[in-house]
Amino acid sequence: GQNIDQPTEMTATEGAIVQINCTYQTSGFNGLFWYQQHAGEAPTFLSYNVLDGLEEKGRFSSFLSRSKGYSYLLLKELQMKDSASYLCAATDSNYQLIWGAGTKLIIKP
Amino acid sequence: DGGITQSPKYLFRKEGQNVTLSCEQNLNHDAMYWYRQDPGQGLRLIYYSQIVNDFQKGDIAEGYSVSREKKESFPLTVTSAQKNPTAFYLCASSILTGDVQPQHFGDGTRLSIL
Repeated sequence: GQNIDQPTEMTATEGAIVQINCTYQTSGFNGLFWYQQHAGEAPTFLSYNVLDGLEEKGRFSSFLSRSKGYSYLLLKELQMKDSASYLCAATDSNYQLIWGAGTKLIIKP
Repeated sequence: DGGITQSPKYLFRKEGQNVTLSCEQNLNHDAMYWYRQDPGQGLRLIYYSQIVNDFQKGDIAEGYSVSREKKESFPLTVTSAQKNPTAFYLCASSILTGDVQPQHFGDGTRLSIL
């Protein structure tokens, strides 16, 4: 079957670093996406990985290991506005996205 | 500014009523998608379309219908056959290339039962 797993909730401190993990199992994997979703709002695109390795974009980085079916999103220098849910999504054989339930990140001062 | 516009923001449905959610994009994207989001669950695909006058069922198409008469527009009708329609509905679009491309979302429509 197809499945995306990520932690339900994480807590971190302002100014710190946090890593949100995602494991996936899909047929015909082609890429892994990360989105940020603030409460009551639509998801916004953060990053995507096709090949193994780290993609860095400012304070946010995303890593992919295709052989392990594993990705993580790394957030540095956390700010209060980073409090949100982070959604992991992987492609299937039809190039459609299979979505995880999201990780709610709580930032404390 | 280019983007995806969903309307209305909030919608209430009475028993036995069909309601239509609007989605318009001016990004010149080929592909458009409708998702449903319920608390504690991932987004679930209802329908998607890659070209005008053609669309495909997603994982939870029962009780929903769509049309794609124009590239810019992909309205979703929630029919009375959908017994549990209360959810956050998200429309998205993307370009189509040989590679997977990010999907970009509208602001969503929150549908509730009266």
